[in-house]
Amino acid sequence: GAGVSQSPSNKVTEKGKDVELRCDPISGHTALYWYRQSLGQGLEFLIYFQGNSAPDKSGLPSDRFSAERTGGSVSTLTIQRTQQEDSAVYLCASGEYEQYFGPGTRLTVT
Amino acid sequence: GQQVMQIPQYQHVQEGEDFTTYCNSSTTLSNIQWYKQRPGGHPVFLIQLVKSGEVKKQKRLTFQFGEAKKNSSLHITATQTTDVGTYFCAGPDDYKLSFGAGTTVTVRA
Repeated sequence: GAGVSQSPSNKVTEKGKDVELRCDPISGHTALYWYRQSLGQGLEFLIYFQGNSAPDKSGLPSDRFSAERTGGSVSTLTIQRTQQEDSAVYLCASGEYEQYFGPGTRLTVT
Repeated sequence: GQQVMQIPQYQHVQEGEDFTTYCNSSTTLSNIQWYKQRPGGHPVFLIQLVKSGEVKKQKRLTFQFGEAKKNSSLHITATQTTDVGTYFCAGPDDYKLSFGAGTTVTVRA
């Protein structure tokens, strides 16, 4: 079956613009996670969804970051008024026990 | 929340040699998972350990869970160039996984 997919794979945006990142989890997975990985760094947890609910949003770096999930499937991570420090790879994962990661979206803010 | 620490941060290995990377938790873990991320890739699940003292092998990789379930190790024998990448351990932290910072492995041919 299909794995986790993310789009776009690469996004270059100008400072101050809004961006929207998409994640399609594995079908049937109710748990979905967003992480951020800066170059050569570890995984920074951003947010977790169980179904359409996000019990804990405390990992989001600032109020410029928001995420939603609809129909218990697709999730979008939105970054408003992007800053250069937002440049990173944004990874999505799904899975109740072990996590299956998508290929990530590489975001570059110029 | 609990913290998971990994050492060393970097491991430079001569091809054919063995090495071990370690993972330590500030709290007792119900289980521990290991992931591998190849350069330019995304993390891929390798294995989960659940029982105290559990040892699991995957070809040249040996994973061990400590008796107190607060630490784990990954031992690779006869390192090959295909072992290059970053190895992460992760422990459950409420509803999510707490990942260590990873051990990045490079191999000298």
